[in-house]
Amino acid sequence: KQEVTQIPAALSVPEGENLVLNCSFTDSAIYNLQWFRQDPGKGLTSLLLIQSSQREQTSGRLNASLDKSSGRSTLYIAASQPGDSATYLCAVNDYKLSFGAGTTVTVRA
Amino acid sequence: DAGVTQSPTHLIKTRGQQVTLRCSPISGHKSVSWYQQVLGQGPQFIFQYYEKEERGRGNFPDRFSARQFPNYSSELNVNALLLGDSALYLCASSPGPAEKLFFGSGTQLSVL
Repeated sequence: KQEVTQIPAALSVPEGENLVLNCSFTDSAIYNLQWFRQDPGKGLTSLLLIQSSQREQTSGRLNASLDKSSGRSTLYIAASQPGDSATYLCAVNDYKLSFGAGTTVTVRA
Repeated sequence: DAGVTQSPTHLIKTRGQQVTLRCSPISGHKSVSWYQQVLGQGPQFIFQYYEKEERGRGNFPDRFSARQFPNYSSELNVNALLLGDSALYLCASSPGPAEKLFFGSGTQLSVL
C-alpha cells in the first residue's frame, strides 16, 4: 500500500523567503507525481506534474524535483508572497492518486 | 473550456438518508475519479472510471457506488449515510487513467 508523508505539517515564513516543502512515498512504482494547492474549503489546483522518467519540473517561481529511487519529491517556491498562503499537497499516481496530508503554509507580510 | 464541474456545492442530509453527487469532466476527458477529503487530511481515493467501466476502487464500504455515463459524466451515490461520511467530495477528470488530473471545486456534504 502506498504511503505518502509530507513534512513539515505547517510552515510560517516572512514574505520574500524561499519555501521548501518535502514529500516522501514508499512505493517507487509510480506513473507520475503531482503537486497541488488547496485554499480552505476549496478544490485542488494542480501546480506541477512530474513524470516518473523526469527529475524536475519548473513553472514560474515553482520548481519540483523527483528522486523516484529514494521515494522523495521537493517543491521549491521562490520569493514567497502572502498570496502563496495555502495548503500544498503532493500525490503519487500508481493508477490512482495517493495523497499526503499536506503542508499548510502561511506567508507573513 | 469549462473545467470539472460538480453539483451540488453544498448538501445537508440526516443519518440513514441517501445522496447522489454529480460530476461533469473536462471536454475530451474519458477518465473520472472520486475522492473523499475529511477536514485536516489529504483526499482518499474512492473510485476511478474509464470509458464507462470501473477501473479501481478504494477502501470504502459497499454503501458507496458510482457510475459513468456515455457522455463521461459521473455520479457518486452513498446510501445509509453515517455521521462519518461528512466530508468534501472531490471529482477529478483526466484524458486517461494515468494522466494529469484536474479537480472540481467539490461537494461539501454534512450529515446530521
